[in-house]
Amino acid sequence: GAVVSQHPSRVICKSGTSVKIECRSLDFQATTMFWYRQFPKQSLMLMATSNEGSKATYEQGVEKDKFLINHASLTLSTLTVTSAHPEDSSFYICSARAALGWETQYFGPGTRLLVL
Amino acid sequence: TQLLEQSPQFLSIQEGENLTVYCNSSSVFSSLQWYRQEPGEGPVLLVTVVTGGEVKKLKRLTFQFGDARKDSSLHITAAQTGDTGLYLCAGAQFSGGYNKLIFGAGTRLAVHP
Repeated sequence: GAVVSQHPSRVICKSGTSVKIECRSLDFQATTMFWYRQFPKQSLMLMATSNEGSKATYEQGVEKDKFLINHASLTLSTLTVTSAHPEDSSFYICSARAALGWETQYFGPGTRLLVL
Repeated sequence: TQLLEQSPQFLSIQEGENLTVYCNSSSVFSSLQWYRQEPGEGPVLLVTVVTGGEVKKLKRLTFQFGDARKDSSLHITAAQTGDTGLYLCAGAQFSGGYNKLIFGAGTRLAVHP
């Protein structure tokens, strides 16, 4: 149980284009989903927290207009990187938590984004 | 923001050796989780510790949460080459009405045959 999927697993795009990444909880309903970014040989940095049906909460320094998050259902959250630039190239990982107050997060397999 | 210091950053050992990874903070966490991450994949949860002083065992891995819930350790007995990977600790911090995880920098373990 507690499986989280991400799609696509890797994407290459041209600078200036937008890329959408999907995060799905496959066998449970996720009231909260989290989006992280991980640069090579570094740890995970939280970008934003999304709750189903409400606006995402962004961490300090993360541009909400650049990283659009939609948590439309209890099993799906999307992250759209708008007008991507080479410095946005990174490993994007989502996680999902089943119930309010339950602290364990289950992570997706990640999406490798390369912006040329 | 609470900081979680993880050490050592790198560890290279021979198969059969024992090792311990530490996570320390000056702040209290409501819980602490340990993950293992393979290259190009997302972190996989190993264990969650919640109670101060709690000890959990997962085969050759022993996890301990400090009495004051500020620190934790991961001990691996008789390491195997399959234990190679990035080990991450993450503390749960209540902020803005919900819990979020603060990650340590990670310990990159290499076990050689």
